[in-house]
Amino acid sequence: GQQLNQSPQSMFIQEGEDVSMNCTSSSIFNTWLWYKQDPGEGPVLLIALYKAGELTSNGRLTAQFGITRKDSFLNISASIPSDVGIYFCAGLNNNDMRFGAGTRLTVKP
Amino acid sequence: DAGVIQSPRHEVTEMGQEVTLRCKPISGHDYLFWYRQTMMRGLELLIYFNNNVPIDDSGMPEDRFSAKMPNASFSTLKIQPSEPRDSAVYFCASIPEGRGTGELFFGEGSRLTVL
Repeated sequence: GQQLNQSPQSMFIQEGEDVSMNCTSSSIFNTWLWYKQDPGEGPVLLIALYKAGELTSNGRLTAQFGITRKDSFLNISASIPSDVGIYFCAGLNNNDMRFGAGTRLTVKP
Repeated sequence: DAGVIQSPRHEVTEMGQEVTLRCKPISGHDYLFWYRQTMMRGLELLIYFNNNVPIDDSGMPEDRFSAKMPNASFSTLKIQPSEPRDSAVYFCASIPEGRGTGELFFGEGSRLTVL
């Protein structure tokens, strides 16, 4: 089963709004990653975080690796319709990657 | 470059039938993973291989599920006999030795419906 608690489960927002989602775990992870899944596709990596406390941006996306190594958040600024999809957090230790349950994002034009 | 290739993309079968899902990882990738995705449980790791050897199969739900990787370019996930609760999207993913960025490269998935 999953070890990561991801929230919220779903979000309905207006185009232009900012989005925030997070992931927590009872276990420490060495790497945190955020993936996005478009309908009918496999997940694709958005951002990878390798150090506790690390804050990384990729365009309108910003993610942070929590200082305790047990949590991470992802922010999306100024959302656009193509941001629609399911966002997954993932924690990685050695060769074992575990995923959160996903946040389903809907953006209304 | 070709990505991870899975087949079939969709399969509908009846309870009790055998199901075989196939995966071709990206050439040169030494790790291969099988995940199952459902609305209720999200993405679950079923099993992963390193250099064709199964490393961790603790996620395989029960003995009805089996996975093989006879060579570096091919893996199968078999369900026999299938049950309605096996209905899900099954993803194969691969990653190169050393893991690099930690990025998993996913296939497009095989959507299984067991009636």
